[in-house]
Amino acid sequence: GNSVTQMEGPVTLSEEAFLTINCTYTATGYPSLFWYVQYPGEGLQLLLKATKADDKGSNKGFEATYRKETTSFHLEKGSVQVSDSAVYFCALSKTGTASKLTFGTGTRLQVTL
Amino acid sequence: DAGVTQSPTHLIKTRGQQVTLRCSPKSGHDTVSWYQQALGQGPQFIFQYYEEEERQRGNFPDRFSGHQFPNYSSELNVNALLLGDSALYLCASSPGTKGDTQYFGPGTRLTVL
Repeated sequence: GNSVTQMEGPVTLSEEAFLTINCTYTATGYPSLFWYVQYPGEGLQLLLKATKADDKGSNKGFEATYRKETTSFHLEKGSVQVSDSAVYFCALSKTGTASKLTFGTGTRLQVTL
Repeated sequence: DAGVTQSPTHLIKTRGQQVTLRCSPKSGHDTVSWYQQALGQGPQFIFQYYEEEERQRGNFPDRFSGHQFPNYSSELNVNALLLGDSALYLCASSPGTKGDTQYFGPGTRLTVL
């Protein structure tokens, strides 16, 4: 079946540091890939997505590239801010329709001054 | 444009009781999915409703049931509550066959004592 593996957290960075959160997946066919963010006490917000190989999703300075050869979708940001502190979830679903999302366990990011 | 809304925000029940959670999808969306997020974990797919029918189901017992109304809103019912049902219950909506992105509500925090 489908599965998503994320790097363990928490990740603690100083403001303006470079961020990478690793995500790899196992899936049949070619899934759509997503990053969602969850701020304390809130639901999930879509951060970015990619629907086919070599696509790059980007939003609010975050980027992730769909790598079919390595089955990866790593999240990156060049300069993090304190306001980026949250839990980040990598997820996949069958492409084309709103099929169920399969999530990783989440990676907590804490950014300090 | 209102996003996905859920009610209630918080709920406390005792073992063996029954609970009903409610969700109103984003305007223009006709598909509703429900997820259970245990503390420190990623969301797990419960089921999805489209055209008032359950279209997909995750690995949850029959104690979990749902309904979708003609206005696309949805309910999640859980019978014979167990301590392990304590979690954040998230509703997500999507524009059915027109896209693969799901948008989440803020969730309902259920505590079973």
